[in-house]
Amino acid sequence: EPEVTQTPSHQVTQMGQEVILRCVPISNHLYFYWYRQILGQKVEFLVSFYNNEISEKSEIFDDQFSVERPDGSNFTLKIRSTKLEDSAMYFCASRGEATGGRSPLHFGNGTRLTVT
Amino acid sequence: GQSLEQPSEVTAVEGAIVQINCTYQTSGFYGLSWYQQHDGGAPTFLSYNALDGLEETGRFSSFLSRSDSYGYLLLQELQMKDSASYFCATNYGGATNKLIFGTGTLLAVQP
Repeated sequence: EPEVTQTPSHQVTQMGQEVILRCVPISNHLYFYWYRQILGQKVEFLVSFYNNEISEKSEIFDDQFSVERPDGSNFTLKIRSTKLEDSAMYFCASRGEATGGRSPLHFGNGTRLTVT
Repeated sequence: GQSLEQPSEVTAVEGAIVQINCTYQTSGFYGLSWYQQHDGGAPTFLSYNALDGLEETGRFSSFLSRSDSYGYLLLQELQMKDSASYFCATNYGGATNKLIFGTGTLLAVQP
């Protein structure tokens, strides 16, 4: 079964550094997402991407965050200047047709970002 | 605003039945989904209700009442491997088609 893949699985960085989290969504999917989960808390929506542009972003997704889909397969999340509070698990997800909940989100295994 | 509330923890024994409740306040509601997450790994889809009533998928069932802004996930014949976190999530349509997740319920299945 096709799956969403994320790299790296764990990233350690110093405060103020830039990080790029990488994702390869399922190939025929149309909608792409980044979510984050602080340890022990709920999964929070960051941004959705459709038709080669951001379709919605949350309050968390401020000017320090950006997303790109540079080619037909990769989907990246960049944090320009990391802060301690950016430490979290970041999940990439994708879904197929525009059929609401009947087209479920498929999540990658996540990248654990640790900012020191 | 949007909020989905769940009990933080539930404990049950193997073979039993457990119900995980979800109450929500949201706009633009397209339906309620349930996801399972083991040990902080990838959330995986379990069930979806677009309309009121019960949806059954094997040992798992999900119920929705739109008028009460309430749903639940029912797990039958519990197994040790069902120990995980369970999240309800509301679906939104349009160009975003996003999910907003609830607070999550940690289910501990005991022998």
